Amino acid sequence: VQLLESGGGLVQPGGSLRLSCTASGFTFSDYAMNWVRRTPGKGLEWISGISGSGGTTYDADSVKGRFTISRVNSKNTLFLQMNGLTAEDTAVYYCAKGQQVYCTTTSCLFDSWGQGTLVTVSS
Amino acid sequence: IQMTQSPSTLSASVGDRVTITCRASQNINIWLAWYQQKPGKGPKLLISLASTLESGVSSRFSGGGSGTDFSLTISGLQPDDFATYYCQQYKNYPWTFGQGTTVEIK
Repeated sequence: VQLLESGGGLVQPGGSLRLSCTASGFTFSDYAMNWVRRTPGKGLEWISGISGSGGTTYDADSVKGRFTISRVNSKNTLFLQMNGLTAEDTAVYYCAKGQQVYCTTTSCLFDSWGQGTLVTVSS
Repeated sequence: IQMTQSPSTLSASVGDRVTITCRASQNINIWLAWYQQKPGKGPKLLISLASTLESGVSSRFSGGGSGTDFSLTISGLQPDDFATYYCQQYKNYPWTFGQGTTVEIK
């Protein structure tokens, strides 16, 4: 299993950024995928998840209404569209593979992770 | 559900036995995972269901606990084990992590 994130960078407050995660080594559509970020202050924070088909999404309150997770199974790619960025969104963003097609209560742990992409929100 | 790890930092020597604790703010049964993270890398899943070692993970690692109190023990610390460790509950959405414990060389 390999997960490779891209799209991070420096963005001004209020700006937007789109992260991508390209997956290989497994049948992408068979597994839920997630975005988890790491900040110096909060450590790891799960922020968004999507079912294998893409039909069901889940977001943490901290990003609800600002971030949108999506996937294109034909291209083995996961996305995170981030709008309305603030300094509190500065973090390393990881894509993480779930263990089942849906991430539900008692099943949502992450068995493979990418190396992360850094997002810095600053003027 | 809030997850609280202790200590935040742990200084130890090669060969030591170390224990990290993780406390949940409410009962999560055994729906707890442990991860190891090294600089520049994504986390690696070590343990699920509080005590089930993932395939390929060294038997130096062991997990225990249920309900609200959990532990990760590393027996016979090796140079490769110096890293940051996180617990994560997956009983209830949103899935939450502890703040991390860094195991450093004394």
